[in-house]
Amino acid sequence: SYEVTQPPSMSVSPGQTARITCSADALPKRYAYWYQQKPGQAPVLVIYQDTERPSGIPERFSGSTSGTTVTLTISGVQAEDEADYYCQSVDSSGTYLVFGGGTKLTVL
Amino acid sequence: QVQLQESGPGLVKPSQTLSLTCTVSGGSISSGSYYWSWIRQPAGKGLEWIGRIYNSGSTNYNPSLKSRVTVSVDTSKNHLSLKLSSVTAADTAVYYCARGKDFHGMDVWGQGTTVTVSS
Repeated sequence: SYEVTQPPSMSVSPGQTARITCSADALPKRYAYWYQQKPGQAPVLVIYQDTERPSGIPERFSGSTSGTTVTLTISGVQAEDEADYYCQSVDSSGTYLVFGGGTKLTVL
Repeated sequence: QVQLQESGPGLVKPSQTLSLTCTVSGGSISSGSYYWSWIRQPAGKGLEWIGRIYNSGSTNYNPSLKSRVTVSVDTSKNHLSLKLSSVTAADTAVYYCARGKDFHGMDVWGQGTTVTVSS
């Protein structure tokens, strides 16, 4: 089965920059999407098409891509950014959606 | 703006069929080039995509669930449905519906509904 890999956790101090990576074989050909999920809430789309930010998402959220890895960068992390972040892409055929295991971001 | 609301039994017995509905408000389920997805999340675990249906009626399912899943749309009721057969305790999760668009991700999500499989 197709796999999307993320680190399970990371921590950062307020004001610092958090970089969450996501790796999958088809990423050079397929877009990645990032979702933020806070406890007890539904996920929220924060990045689409690798680098695009939906309206209403703060500018401190950005995405980048390099080969089989995409990165979600949160600049000037705030306490409210503490959440689980999920990378999502599709398999090489473009048929099946796949989520990464999620990265728990802790703001120290 | 479009809002989604999941509903259905909170408790399902093992071997039975789980049936959920996602009601779309603030817009028509058949307008635009969207797909409608079901995603689930066991307590304390990550998101798992279940399947989707496009406005054209075309469907895609997670290969690991494909033999047990049916996703459908009722345009007259403006809602999306999920049926998952032969459930076990492993199907216990929060189930979400979401609206998506190719190359744009899933931008609208329901609040989720908890389903427990237990006798």
